[in-house]
Amino acid sequence: GESVGLHLPTLSVQEGDNSIINCAYSNSASDYFIWYKQESGKGPQFIIDIRSNMDKRQGQRVTVLLNKTVKHLSLQIAATQPGDSAVYFCAENHRDKLVFGAGTILRVKS
Amino acid sequence: NAGVMQNPRHLVRRRGQEARLRCSPMKGHSHVYWYRQLPEEGLKFMVYLQKENIIDESGMPKERFSAEFPKEGPSILRIQQVVRGDSAAYFCASSPRGGGVGTEAFFGQGTRLTVV
Repeated sequence: GESVGLHLPTLSVQEGDNSIINCAYSNSASDYFIWYKQESGKGPQFIIDIRSNMDKRQGQRVTVLLNKTVKHLSLQIAATQPGDSAVYFCAENHRDKLVFGAGTILRVKS
Repeated sequence: NAGVMQNPRHLVRRRGQEARLRCSPMKGHSHVYWYRQLPEEGLKFMVYLQKENIIDESGMPKERFSAEFPKEGPSILRIQQVVRGDSAAYFCASSPRGGGVGTEAFFGQGTRLTVV
């Protein structure tokens, strides 16, 4: 079946360090991937996306890497800040709907 | 431009009652998606609707659950005869067109349903 999963359920980083959140997806036909951030009590917030014809895309302090060979996606956050503490989900767009992974909790220690 | 509005934010129902969750998409958005989230889990797709049409309901339970998006008014997710297992956060997202959900899709704050 279709599924998107995450390797690490919880990630603790020191403020100012870089964070890397990983994701494995199973549907090789998916051509569009998105990372979302979800703070407690709120809906998912779009962070960055990437299409399958790319292997890297950069935003402000965030970078998404896509390795189609091993069906792996990662989100890199530079200079992690306390406000980055949240649950991060990767999602793949498949047949006009998003398939979400289970999520990684990012905790930033001051 | 208001974002996606969901109400109520919190809903408590006794077993056997009906739950109605409302989602008003962003202005100009005619596509609505409903997702369910259990505690410490990802969002599970339920249904995709356009105005007056259900496009994909592959994630909807076969019984007790229904959704609509009328020509006028918000999208409604209806759960009949709720059971404790229906307790979850329900999110909707809207986008201006179909063909996929991405940068143009925005999520609401969700409705947290508790069945007692």
